[in-house]
Amino acid sequence: KQEVTQIPAALSVPEGENLVLNCSFTDSAIYNLQWFRQDPGKGLTSLLLIQSSQREQTSGRLNASLDKSSGRSTLYIAASQPGDSATYLCAVVNYGGSQGNLIFGKGTKLSVKP
Amino acid sequence: SAVISQKPSRDICQRGTSLTIQCQVDSQVTMMFWYRQQPGQSLTLIATANQGSEATYESGFVIDKFPISRPNLTFSTLTVSNMSPEDSSIYLCSVVVWAGENEQFFGPGTRLTVL
Repeated sequence: KQEVTQIPAALSVPEGENLVLNCSFTDSAIYNLQWFRQDPGKGLTSLLLIQSSQREQTSGRLNASLDKSSGRSTLYIAASQPGDSATYLCAVVNYGGSQGNLIFGKGTKLSVKP
Repeated sequence: SAVISQKPSRDICQRGTSLTIQCQVDSQVTMMFWYRQQPGQSLTLIATANQGSEATYESGFVIDKFPISRPNLTFSTLTVSNMSPEDSSIYLCSVVVWAGENEQFFGPGTRLTVL
């Protein structure tokens, strides 16, 4: 059974710092991996999608990498800002599973202090 | 991407009653899904809403408890039936616009509290 783990559960950094959020998954047979942010009381915003054949994706100050063989992904946030404060979730779709079945980690709650 | 709206955004309901949540998308989408996020937990897929046919439920979820409709490619409803306090959660719909890429986009969620 696929399990997704995110470390750390919470992180507090000063504004301007570069940071890395970690995601690991137990079954490497994945179709893709997606990173989201969730603001308090709100839905999820898709940040980056990495297909199983890709190694990384970039969007602005965000860079996500995928190492399928080791079951790991990282989300790198450059020059963090207070507006980056949110919970970051990673999720995978298992290869051969239901296409809609994103299996989520519990998230990393990020706080960026001005 | 897609713009997704949900109604209601939140509700407080009495035990034993039912609530229907609506999900509206601004464009036709290939797939629609319903998720639940229990307090302090991550998201869990309830079912895939199939257009014109019965929804496909994940293990642990049944049609009698969570009936789902999808009459067209832009709209779906989820009903939470015979509610108990354990049903207090955030319910979110999500869509895949292009099956080839399989990127999911989520609505803002419906926060349900059952007393």
